[in-house]
Amino acid sequence: KNEVEQSPQNLTAQEGEFITINCSYSVGISALHWLQQHPGGGIVSLFMLSSGKKKHGRLIATINIQEKHSSLHITASHPRDSAVYICAVSAYNAGNMLTFGGGTRLMVKP
Amino acid sequence: SQTIHQWPATLVQPVGSPLSLECTVEGTSNPNLYWYRQAAGRGLQLLFYSVGIGQISSEVPQNLSASRPQDRQFILSSKKLLLSDSGFYLCAWSPQGSQPQHFGDGTRLSIL
Repeated sequence: KNEVEQSPQNLTAQEGEFITINCSYSVGISALHWLQQHPGGGIVSLFMLSSGKKKHGRLIATINIQEKHSSLHITASHPRDSAVYICAVSAYNAGNMLTFGGGTRLMVKP
Repeated sequence: SQTIHQWPATLVQPVGSPLSLECTVEGTSNPNLYWYRQAAGRGLQLLFYSVGIGQISSEVPQNLSASRPQDRQFILSSKKLLLSDSGFYLCAWSPQGSQPQHFGDGTRLSIL
């Protein structure tokens, strides 16, 4: 069973700061997912990546397969980025099932 | 475009009562379907997944069950709810293969 660890658990930043959230996992995966959960509970998929780096707006996700590690970066953070960010991994199986990290609660202060 | 509908948004039920949460997907066919639960203060946990009609796999043994009577319909049920069933329940779908998952808005279930 894959163990997914995220750090930090909680993060407070000032508007404009560069933010990094880390994720590590224990077993080989088919893909790693970064999800965003807003206070109301709704979840949005931000990235799915299996190698290298992806960028969407101010968000950047990287993965190092050899080290079993991924990072999510937010540049020029804004209060609207405040949310819980969740790392999840999917295994090599037909079900595409996700195993989740515990989440990182981010608060960006104006 | 594809959409996922999950209802109800909130539900308050007494201990021992039955449960039925419904999830439907539009705009796609033969999706993988998932039920997750997020207990208060805890992370997401996969409860059930389905790769096709009538095919249900359970990840966590408990008093919940799932059914997929139609290709794009996924139902989470219980005959008798326990206090420990309280939580936030999310339905999700993905295309077959290694693809991003798309989540419903969730159902917040409180057991009294």
